[in-house]
Amino acid sequence: QKEVEQNSGPLSVPEGAIASLNCTYSDRGSQSFFWYRQYSGKSPELIMFIYSNGDKEDGRFTAQLNKASQYVSLLIRDSQPSDSATYLCAVRSGGSYIPTFGRGTSLIVHP
Amino acid sequence: EAQVTQNPRYLITVTGKKLTVTCSQNMNHEYMSWYRQDPGLGLRQIYYSMNVEVTDKGDVPEGYKVSRKEKRNFPLILESPSPNQTSLYFCASSKGQGGQPQHFGDGTRLSIL
Repeated sequence: QKEVEQNSGPLSVPEGAIASLNCTYSDRGSQSFFWYRQYSGKSPELIMFIYSNGDKEDGRFTAQLNKASQYVSLLIRDSQPSDSATYLCAVRSGGSYIPTFGRGTSLIVHP
Repeated sequence: EAQVTQNPRYLITVTGKKLTVTCSQNMNHEYMSWYRQDPGLGLRQIYYSMNVEVTDKGDVPEGYKVSRKEKRNFPLILESPSPNQTSLYFCASSKGQGGQPQHFGDGTRLSIL
């Protein structure tokens, strides 16, 4: 059974701080890693993906992957109240078309 | 505007009454998929399709059917709905056959009484 674990939160950070969201996964064959943002009552939206160990930056977002530790994280720099949402981690194994999603971490950015 | 359109957005119905949730995308994407989202369980894939006439089961396919007769459309069919299928459903599409949903519809909230 492939598992993707996230702390449900809420993670509360002040405006302007760095928010760090973490995700661990059980399947060592996982090759693709994704972060989605879901506002309350809305559909998920893909914000980042990463395939290789290390960091990948896109604007205020940085995804970090450590396959040896089976760990992927999302850093949000200069957090804004508009970043308040649930962040979903998703993992996909090589050769599979079925992603496994974590249950999400609720982020609250307070002014 | 790139869109994945689901209908209906909300539906309350009774056990055993067949229903179809439609999904249409205007991006010419090859890959389409259906998910259900339940509190405490996260998003789980029901079925996916890599292209016209090519469909396969996801993690939770029991009680559901799909078809892909045209590239743009991917309806989800519940032939005999039961209360445990009460959930929030999302259709998604992506370019290519990588399988990772890029665009989601707005969701369909189904209540089966």
